[in-house]
Amino acid sequence: NAGVTQTPKFQVLKTGQSMTLQCAQDMNHNSMYWYRQDPGMGLRLIYYSASEGTTDKGEVPNGYNVSRLNKREFSLRLESAAPSQTSVYFCASSVGTSGRVYEQYFGPGTRLTVT
Amino acid sequence: AQSVTQLDSQVPVFEEAPVELRCNYSSSVSVYLFWYVQYPNQGLQLLLKYLSGSTLVESINGFEAEFNKSQTSFHLRKPSVHISDTAEYFCAVIPNTGGFKTIFGAGTRLFVKA
Repeated sequence: NAGVTQTPKFQVLKTGQSMTLQCAQDMNHNSMYWYRQDPGMGLRLIYYSASEGTTDKGEVPNGYNVSRLNKREFSLRLESAAPSQTSVYFCASSVGTSGRVYEQYFGPGTRLTVT
Repeated sequence: AQSVTQLDSQVPVFEEAPVELRCNYSSSVSVYLFWYVQYPNQGLQLLLKYLSGSTLVESINGFEAEFNKSQTSFHLRKPSVHISDTAEYFCAVIPNTGGFKTIFGAGTRLFVKA
């Protein structure tokens, strides 16, 4: 099993450009998440998908959109990138059955720089 | 709402010395507690978790953490660290009623020196 995979690994954007970060998991998990990691701030939840067909805002959703394409894939889109979105982005997944949620499994991350 | 405070942002320690990484949490409901580890340029991995039962939980690589409900703490300890333990460690909580919003602490960077 590959676990959680993310593409791309690195990306540099100019202010105002758009891009989509891709995430896929092969563990048959129901729930998927997008986080950003900034120095000294831990991980902050951007959006999550409790199950296929649903998405909800997390702590810092402004400037982002998501799509749960199917059970395996969950993408994050930046419509108009801003320097404040320079960060490391992590996708994660969790079993999430019967409304109970335990540990999460993380991808390797995407390092995004917006100039 | 929940919050997590990791009391040390950086902990330098010599190889084979003991270490404790401190974590306190605040919550109006009971929680599940986790420690995750992040090695350089990698994603987070689960190190250990407390869901219920014995308040002392252990990982396969020698770390342990003790849930202390009265002090709302979940400190991580290892009696003898290795160079390979150099990483960032995150404490996290989630309400035991379910839900999808894990709250992470800001992280503690453990640096093991030879």
